Amino acid sequence: AQTVTQSQPEMSVQEAETVTLSCTYDTSENNYYLFWYKQPPSRQMILVIRQEAYKQQNATENRFSVNFQKAAKSFSLKISDSQLGDTAMYFCAFRTGTASKLTFGTGTRLQVTL
Amino acid sequence: DTEVTQTPKHLVMGMTNKKSLKCEQHMGHRAMYWYKQKAKKPPELMFVYSYEKLSINESVPSRFSPECPNSSLLNLHLHALQPEDSALYLCASSQDSGGATDTQYFGPGTRLTVL
Repeated sequence: AQTVTQSQPEMSVQEAETVTLSCTYDTSENNYYLFWYKQPPSRQMILVIRQEAYKQQNATENRFSVNFQKAAKSFSLKISDSQLGDTAMYFCAFRTGTASKLTFGTGTRLQVTL
Repeated sequence: DTEVTQTPKHLVMGMTNKKSLKCEQHMGHRAMYWYKQKAKKPPELMFVYSYEKLSINESVPSRFSPECPNSSLLNLHLHALQPEDSALYLCASSQDSGGATDTQYFGPGTRLTVL
């Protein structure tokens, strides 16, 4: 069975600073996909970034980037130049290559302050 | 356009009521999902429809009845719910189910309160 662990229940960062959210996972599969979703107080789950396990290059989306360490089964999210609108719950999620089911971590609540 | 819409936004119902949640997407996706999310918890998968057929039922009680009338629409029929069923119900869709392009896009959710 796959598990996803987010060890930081809450984090805080000042506006314009950089913050890194941690995620580790456990799987025996070789083909899988990893995701970061954010869920602001408005509650809609929004896809932030996606990483294919077979790709060595870390995914980036504007101010969001990941540090994917396949051997360590680590998938951290770096948010650069944090903005107030980044305040949200962030969920790390995992899916095997052929399955449709997403396995979510418990989430990290990020607060961006002035 | 990665929009999934859900209606209603809020729903309050009694334990003897029958109500339905609706989800719609116009992205040509062939897989649709229902999730239940309790406060401060991650979403829990309930059902998956792939090409309009139910492919996954995560042992959900029969008081929740999904329906996929066509590839763009997904309903969740509710009957005889319990107060513990109060939660945010999220719908999601993806291009395929289990394929390489299977990135799920979520709707804004329906906040359900059972009295």
